[in-house]
Amino acid sequence: EVQLLESGGGLVQPGRSLRLSCAASGFTFDDYAMHWVRQAPGKGLEWVSGISWNSGSIGYADSVKGRFTISRDNAKNSLYLQMNSLRAEDTALYYCAKDTCSSTSCYFDYWGQGTLVTVSS
Amino acid sequence: DIQMTQSPSSLSASVGDRVTITCRASQSISSYLNWYQQKPGKAPKLLIYAASSLQSGVPSRFSGNGSGTDFTLTISSLQPEDFATYYCQQSYSTPLFTFGPGTKVDIK
Repeated sequence: EVQLLESGGGLVQPGRSLRLSCAASGFTFDDYAMHWVRQAPGKGLEWVSGISWNSGSIGYADSVKGRFTISRDNAKNSLYLQMNSLRAEDTALYYCAKDTCSSTSCYFDYWGQGTLVTVSS
Repeated sequence: DIQMTQSPSSLSASVGDRVTITCRASQSISSYLNWYQQKPGKAPKLLIYAASSLQSGVPSRFSGNGSGTDFTLTISSLQPEDFATYYCQQSYSTPLFTFGPGTKVDIK
């Protein structure tokens, strides 16, 4: 059974840093790209960042570029999101998602339950 | 960057109704379009990938159509468990992805 378990969320002051983790199990982690998706309270889904299986391809949403860094440790079956210079608008539930590609599209077939990040003084 | 829009933003429907949600991309994305369902307090769930392929385990009353810039998600006969918010997502510009703003389906 595929499981994705996020951790590391919490209350943090504006301008400070936080590191999120996602522990993966139930599949061959280093075969798949992984992503972070967030959802602000009462709002829609926002893709934040993604990383290929070998970390060779990485992408960020414009809203976090230059402040957030995605990484992965395939030996530990873990995905990370280092968040620096946090802002109030980064307050959200952060999901970890597994990427799968068919011949015609890539999609997120498994999601964690999320970890809540609150940026407030 | 590719922008995604959805219409309507919300709709009210009755059990048994046929419901169609539209998603539009700001440029052609071929068939690189996915649909997700999200219920309150839950993680999103993949329904449709590659515009029209039904994810394993998803009921056949859900279907997707379209290519290029215009796409639809149809629920042929709305069931009580289908009341949720639905999001489209483009994967054409991978590793960059974009979600639509969502369509909330509630009970009339």
